Amino acid sequence: QVQLQESGPGLVKPSETLSLTCTVSGGSVSSGSYCWSWIRQPPGKGLDWIGYIHYSGSINYNPSLKSRVTISVDTSKNQFSLKLSSVTAADTAVYYCARFLAGDLSVDYWGQGTLVTVSS
Amino acid sequence: NFMLTQPRSVSESPGKTVTISCTGSSGSIASNYVQWYQQRPGSAPTTVIYEDNQRPSGVPDRFSGSIDSSSNSASLTISGLKTEDEAEYYCQSYDSSNHVVFGGGTKLTVL
Repeated sequence: QVQLQESGPGLVKPSETLSLTCTVSGGSVSSGSYCWSWIRQPPGKGLDWIGYIHYSGSINYNPSLKSRVTISVDTSKNQFSLKLSSVTAADTAVYYCARFLAGDLSVDYWGQGTLVTVSS
Repeated sequence: NFMLTQPRSVSESPGKTVTISCTGSSGSIASNYVQWYQQRPGSAPTTVIYEDNQRPSGVPDRFSGSIDSSSNSASLTISGLKTEDEAEYYCQSYDSSNHVVFGGGTKLTVL
């Protein structure tokens, strides 16, 4: 059974960089069949796709966040990571890592989500 | 920018059938697959429909998906409604650049 687990600080100061890691078990981030993604959900609001990475290095970001986002993959640790720079209160959200099937861009596994609050 | 529009809320009685729509803003919604996710409060979303009309194992056949090219929309239909179906439902697809897009979500109330 594939499991994804987010980890990282729950509190980030404005203007700093939010950093999260997703650890994958029961599957490999090196598989060509999947894209590894970050999705967020502000409190009381809907889902917002941040971006995804394929182990080959192919990356796709939400155009509205592209200038501030970096997603990377570490095959040796079977993890992938998110960095979001220059955060503001508007970046406060539950952040989910997820696995997309590369063929149809549907999510088949989600992490449980982690709340990140941006506040001084 | 490609967008997906859903009604904010729908409600129906137990045992009845409800349909949630998801309308594409441009292009043909039939060009790319549409998925549907169910999210209960405090939990991560789960997939109820993928590739327009496919159900993952474990999802009851009360859930079905369809595409209507004439209205450029996708629909999620839930028949034989149960109180446990009360949740937020999101449609999801992608644009010509493979940017993932989610609809705004529909809150289903089963009264």
